[in-house]
Amino acid sequence: EPEVTQTPSHQVTQMGQEVILRCVPISNHLYFYWYRQILGQKVEFLVSFYNNEISEKSEIFDDQFSVERPDGSNFTLKIRSTKLEDSAMYFCASSDRVGTDTQYFGPGTRLTVL
Amino acid sequence: DQQVKQNSPSLSVQEGRISILNCDYTNSMFDYFLWYKKYPAEGPTFLISISSIKDKNEDGRFTVFLNKSAKHLSLHIVPSQPGDSAVYFCAASMNYGGATNKLIFGTGTLLAVQP
Repeated sequence: EPEVTQTPSHQVTQMGQEVILRCVPISNHLYFYWYRQILGQKVEFLVSFYNNEISEKSEIFDDQFSVERPDGSNFTLKIRSTKLEDSAMYFCASSDRVGTDTQYFGPGTRLTVL
Repeated sequence: DQQVKQNSPSLSVQEGRISILNCDYTNSMFDYFLWYKKYPAEGPTFLISISSIKDKNEDGRFTVFLNKSAKHLSLHIVPSQPGDSAVYFCAASMNYGGATNKLIFGTGTLLAVQP
């Protein structure tokens, strides 16, 4: 069964450093999302991406964040200068249509900012 | 932002009995609802969904009921099995005409199925 994969599973970084979280969505999907879950809180939307551009972003997704689809398979989330409060689980999701679409999630990357 | 609420943080059920997980929402524009199951240190796994044009959707042991007038949905699992023990998230989206539809998640309910 096709699945969304994410690397790395755990990333530890120093405050102020740049991190890139990688995702490989399901191959025939066209719509891509990043969500995060801070420990003990709900899963929250960060950004969505379609047709090589950002479709929607939350207020969390400020200038420190960027997304890219560098090739036909990868979808990346970059945080330019990490803060302590960026520590969270980051989930990538993809879907094959919008509307009554089901988003399929990857296993997540745990980001720890020290 | 409490558009999707799961008021029960935990639920304990005996194996073989019915589990009922509840979810309330405030935004009447939501038109698609999903339930996800999540184990610790894993991503949410899709379980079942329902469109706002329906009031019930069934898939095996899982049934989701939608009451639009009450802005309430519920997930029924019957019979419950120990492997169902996980955190269950309710999520909602609305089709506002954009290219993508973000999901708004509830806070989750931890289900424990006792053998």
